[in-house]
Amino acid sequence: DSGVTQTPKHLITATGQRVTLRCSPRSGDLSVYWYQQSLDQGLQFLIQYYNGEERAKGNILERFSAQQFPDLHSELNLSSLELGDSALYFCASSVDPGQPQHFGDGTRLSIL
Amino acid sequence: GIQVEQSPPDLILQEGANSTLRCNFSDSVNNLQWFHQNPWGQLINLFYIPSGTKQNGRLSATTVATERYSLLYISSSQTTDSGVYFCAVEETGANNLFFGTGTRLTVIP
Repeated sequence: DSGVTQTPKHLITATGQRVTLRCSPRSGDLSVYWYQQSLDQGLQFLIQYYNGEERAKGNILERFSAQQFPDLHSELNLSSLELGDSALYFCASSVDPGQPQHFGDGTRLSIL
Repeated sequence: GIQVEQSPPDLILQEGANSTLRCNFSDSVNNLQWFHQNPWGQLINLFYIPSGTKQNGRLSATTVATERYSLLYISSSQTTDSGVYFCAVEETGANNLFFGTGTRLTVIP
């Protein structure tokens, strides 16, 4: 058990819809990262938050947004969903950048 | 951005055999991690090893940062070792991990 909790584990929805993925980091970790794993793109970094502030952005689409709340949990919002958004979305956390990142079990998103 | 190459892409082993997986990276890093993704999709953190050598049971890893590569050794492989092994690096000055494309390991009884 990594200590990082992601909900839901599975999500099935239709094109055009909006979903929210939730992540609770390990106790004491201030950094939260979101990654997307798709068949054609592999594992890609989306966005990082540190103690409530956005710190780094990767290949995140404009239709996607995230935030980190004062209790350090984070949410990833995906809107206007397309078939290509079907993927496994991971959240990871670390004490600081440069320190080991610990991954949750992921949310498997299927767009029908 | 930094390039991460893993080899071999696929590996099939008989149970009990040993193997070495390699990860080459193109720039200096301040974090390197090895992960095992099991058949259920979970990413299991094996090693945090930006430099040096570490061992954990049948697994060990070595990173030679000056030569920009890392090796993961699996000894006496078991069927439960099957899955995809990823190397991921955090480039110096960056805040995220770049993942390689992985080595898919299949251990047959």
